Amino acid sequence: ETGVTQTPRHLVMGMTNKKSLKCEQHLGHNAMYWYKQSAKKPLELMFVYNFKEQTENNSVPSRFSPECPNSSHLFLHLHTLQPEDSALYLCASSLMTSGGFSSYNEQFFGPGTRLTVL
Amino acid sequence: AQSVTQLGSHVSVSEGALVLLRCNYSSSVPPYLFWYVQYPNQGLQLLLKYTTGATLVKGINGFEAEFKKSETSFHLTKPSAHMSDAAEYFCAVSSLSNFGNEKLTFGTGTRLTIIP
Repeated sequence: ETGVTQTPRHLVMGMTNKKSLKCEQHLGHNAMYWYKQSAKKPLELMFVYNFKEQTENNSVPSRFSPECPNSSHLFLHLHTLQPEDSALYLCASSLMTSGGFSSYNEQFFGPGTRLTVL
Repeated sequence: AQSVTQLGSHVSVSEGALVLLRCNYSSSVPPYLFWYVQYPNQGLQLLLKYTTGATLVKGINGFEAEFKKSETSFHLTKPSAHMSDAAEYFCAVSSLSNFGNEKLTFGTGTRLTIIP
């Protein structure tokens, strides 16, 4: 496997279910991201992990719970979701280097998980 | 705060015609600017980026974009459209978040359709 992989690619769940999305990167990166992509809206950054530490949570409801056990794996645990949470969830990774703003590196995206909440 | 505006949520061009996708940004600091492409059922792929230096940036698949500071624009062009260019295109600007992370702010995207 190369690049960024996400499983499952499609998920249908009821509002009372608990499920998890998985992301794995094979690029040697040290930062990982969860984004939400809804129709007709810009991509929304949800969480950022640098070196396995969560460094950003953009006011995401607690029914979304991220987990980063190591720098290659990222999970998004889902419970008691609402129909408006139906969207494409994208994972990305990048190589964060020291040096601040000038050291920006490209984010590599996975294919996403299409989530439908009934 | 940074923001990105993409004019035209849908653009249609004939095969072989010029592709022009518009992007305007606002940024309180010198921006880093990006174009990403998303093919159906796939994630985003970087087309090109502007950081510093030459304002005309060349990317993959024959695309290029020009950074114009005076117009706060970063329009994407391709001289001759190909059927395989049909996809959704996203412009993005990078900045530092309140948490000190480098983050991307995306536009709402432009869906490009190629007419045979």
